[in-house]
Amino acid sequence: QITLKESGPTLVKATQTLTLTCTFSGFSLTTTGVGMGWLRQPPGKAPEWLTLIYWDDDVRYNPSLKNSLTVTKDTSKHQVVLTMTNMDPVDTATYYCAHRPTGGKFLNFFDSWGQGILVTVSS
Amino acid sequence: EIVMTQSPATLSVSPGERATLSCRASQSVSTNLAWYQQKPGQPPRLLIYGASTRATDVPARFSGSGSGTEFTLTISSLQSEDFAVYYCQQFNSWPPATFGQGTKLEIK
Repeated sequence: QITLKESGPTLVKATQTLTLTCTFSGFSLTTTGVGMGWLRQPPGKAPEWLTLIYWDDDVRYNPSLKNSLTVTKDTSKHQVVLTMTNMDPVDTATYYCAHRPTGGKFLNFFDSWGQGILVTVSS
Repeated sequence: EIVMTQSPATLSVSPGERATLSCRASQSVSTNLAWYQQKPGQPPRLLIYGASTRATDVPARFSGSGSGTEFTLTISSLQSEDFAVYYCQQFNSWPPATFGQGTKLEIK
């Protein structure tokens, strides 16, 4: 059974850096074909895809946010860390980590999600 | 970036009836499309991928169809637990993968 849980601050100030950690179980990010993503969802809006990291350390970013995002993995701790710099009130959202089905890198949808963490950015 | 447009924004249907939700892509996404269901306070749940393949444990009353730019999610006989928001997501041309704005399915 796959489980994922996001952790980190729920309130940050504008211009600060946000660091979120996703702790997962039920799979390994060292297994070929495995990938994990981060998405966010502003209140009342649709999800937005942020980034995807693969078992081989290949990473893809949303071009509109590429300059502010960094994602890394710590396979020994079963964790993936998202860093987002220069936060703004428009970045207020629930942030989710999610598991991508094992397979070719082309697959970019998510079959298991964490519960999410609501991050509020104050001005 | 591919824009996904869902219609209608809100759909009112009675329990036991059929619901048909639409999703249109601004350019062809082949069958690289997924559908999700989201209930208040919960993360999205994968229902359909590859436009028509049901995810694990998804009831048979959910079905997906379409290819190219036009897609449909059909719920054959609505149950009380099906009232939620539904999102489509393309993964044909990315980054970024993109979502529709959602259809809220409400009880009539």
